Order: sequence, then structure tokens, then C-alpha cells
Amino acid sequence: AQSVTQLDSQVPVFEEAPVELRCNYSSSVSVYLFWYVQYPNQGLQLLLKYLSGSTLVESINGFEAEFNKSQTSFHLRKPSVHISDTAEYFCAVSEPGGYQKVTFGTGTKLQVIP
Amino acid sequence: SAVISQKPSRDICQRGTSLTIQCQVDSQVTMMFWYRQQPGQSLTLIATANQGSEATYESGFVIDKFPISRPNLTFSTLTVSNMSPEDSSIYLCSVEDRENYGYTFGSGTRLTVV
Repeated sequence: AQSVTQLDSQVPVFEEAPVELRCNYSSSVSVYLFWYVQYPNQGLQLLLKYLSGSTLVESINGFEAEFNKSQTSFHLRKPSVHISDTAEYFCAVSEPGGYQKVTFGTGTKLQVIP
Repeated sequence: SAVISQKPSRDICQRGTSLTIQCQVDSQVTMMFWYRQQPGQSLTLIATANQGSEATYESGFVIDKFPISRPNLTFSTLTVSNMSPEDSSIYLCSVEDRENYGYTFGSGTRLTVV
């Protein structure tokens, strides 16, 4: 069985400061890893994903995440946050292939302070 | 990627009644997924709906409580039956995004049972 741990339920950070949202997973098989973002009163949107290949993946809005197999981590980072990044971020894992069940972490609320 | 229209966006319901949530996808998809997001918690998969067959329910969820219909490849409904306050949650539908190797989510239905 797979599981995802997001240790930080809330992360307050000042605007233009860097941020790291932590994610650790457990799985007995190889995995796909995802970060989803949920803005207030909206559904989830895929932010970025790791499927294979380069362990560093980037999103179009400046976030990046690095797959670390030895530490079973997939932490999300951004060097300089904006007010508009205020949202809840979910880390998720699935087995490779189509139509696989996705297991989500409990989410981290990022609060960007002006 | 597919676009999902989910409705209602929110509802307040009386204990003991039922609510049917609808998801319409703008393209044909093989499987649709229904999730529950309880207050302060992560997403939990309720069931997987495949057109033309019975939905597959996850442990802890049963068809009598959460009947699902999947009449065609673009539409599905989830009914929350005989509701109690413990059913107050956000319910989301999801489909696989084969273009981006992720999953697309509807905007969610925020249900409050009083």
C-alpha cells in the first residue's frame, strides 16, 4: 500500500521569501509523484509531476520539486513566493501506468503574508 | 486536457435526505473517479466508475450509501444517501488526463448536512 506524508499542515511565509513544502511517500513499487494546488473555493489543479527521467521537475509558475528516491521525498520549492500562491498544496502518489489509484497527502496550506 | 463541469457547487441539506452530484466531461473518458474531502483532511477515493459496469468501491464505502451512475462516457452522478452531519464534506469527481499523465478534477461540491 502507498502512503503520503505532508508534515506541515500550514506554512506562513512572507511575500518574496523562499518556501519549501515537504512531502514524503512510502511505496513498495516504483511511483509517479504529483503536486496539486487548490485555490480557495476551487477544484484541484495539477501543478507538476514526476514520472521518470530527470529528478527535478518544474511548473510554469516557478515551482519546482525534486524526486529523491533514497529519502523517498518529493519536496516542493519556490525561490520567491507571491500573494497569488496562497492556496492548499497536496502531494500525491500513484503506481505507474494508466487508471491507477491516486493516494493524497493531507495537504499544506501556504499562507503568503504581504 | 478534459474540462469537468460539476454541480451543484454547494448545498445545505437536511439530515436523512439524499443529494445527487453531477459531473459532465467535455470529452469521452473511460473511467471517472469520485473523491471525498472531509474538513481538514485529504482526498479519499470513494469509487471508480467505468461506463457500462458497476462502480468499484473502496474500503469503507458502499453502494447503498453512495450509489453511482455512469450512463455514458461523458457523464456520471454520485448520490449521497440518507445523509447525516458526518457526510458534510467536499465531493469531487476526477478523470485521467492522458495528455499530461495526471488527473483533472471538477471544482467540487461543498455539502453541509444539518
